[in-house]
Amino acid sequence: AQSVTQLGSHVSVSEGALVLLRCNYSSSVPPYLFWYVQYPNQGLQLLLKYTSAATLVKGINGFEAEFKKSETSFHLTKPSAHMTDAAEYFCAVLNQAGTALIFGKGTTLSVSS
Amino acid sequence: EAGVTQSPTHLIKTRGQQATLRCSPISGHTSVYWYQQALGLGLQFLLWYDEGEERNRGNFPPRFSGRQFPNYSSELNVNALELEDSALYLCASRTEGDYEQYFGPGTRLTVT
Repeated sequence: AQSVTQLGSHVSVSEGALVLLRCNYSSSVPPYLFWYVQYPNQGLQLLLKYTSAATLVKGINGFEAEFKKSETSFHLTKPSAHMTDAAEYFCAVLNQAGTALIFGKGTTLSVSS
Repeated sequence: EAGVTQSPTHLIKTRGQQATLRCSPISGHTSVYWYQQALGLGLQFLLWYDEGEERNRGNFPPRFSGRQFPNYSSELNVNALELEDSALYLCASRTEGDYEQYFGPGTRLTVT
């Protein structure tokens, strides 16, 4: 069965610093992986997705993620944090049947000036 | 292009009552998903509807049910509400052949 683990429920960075949000997955088949962002009192917005094409995936708002099969990881990065990046971030994997997303517990990103 | 819409934004019910939540998918999307985001439990898959049929459900009791209408909009019903049903309920839609799900803003259900 598929599963997702997000290491660190809360990450704090300074404005302009590197953002690194960690995601490890478990899957018995080649995974489809997603990163979503949720701003307070809003729904989820897709940042980027991996669907077995290029291992380095670029998304919106300057975020990117690298799929590493050997490490079963799909970490999210952004070179320079902005105050507007403060939000909750969810990593998700499509289940084996392709019928639902399985989400990690989420990581709250705080950005200080 | 209009996104996924959900109504109402907030819903307050009393324990034992029934709640009805509504979702309109993006035009052209035939699949609708429901997820529950409860405090401390994260995002959990509830139900999937496609072409008017329930295709899959998560690990939730039968008092969580729903349907999909011919225009692909969907309704989630929660019967015999319990305090732990208090959560944000998110609807998502996708088009056939695409794995990407687009989420609505959610309905905040509070059970008192």
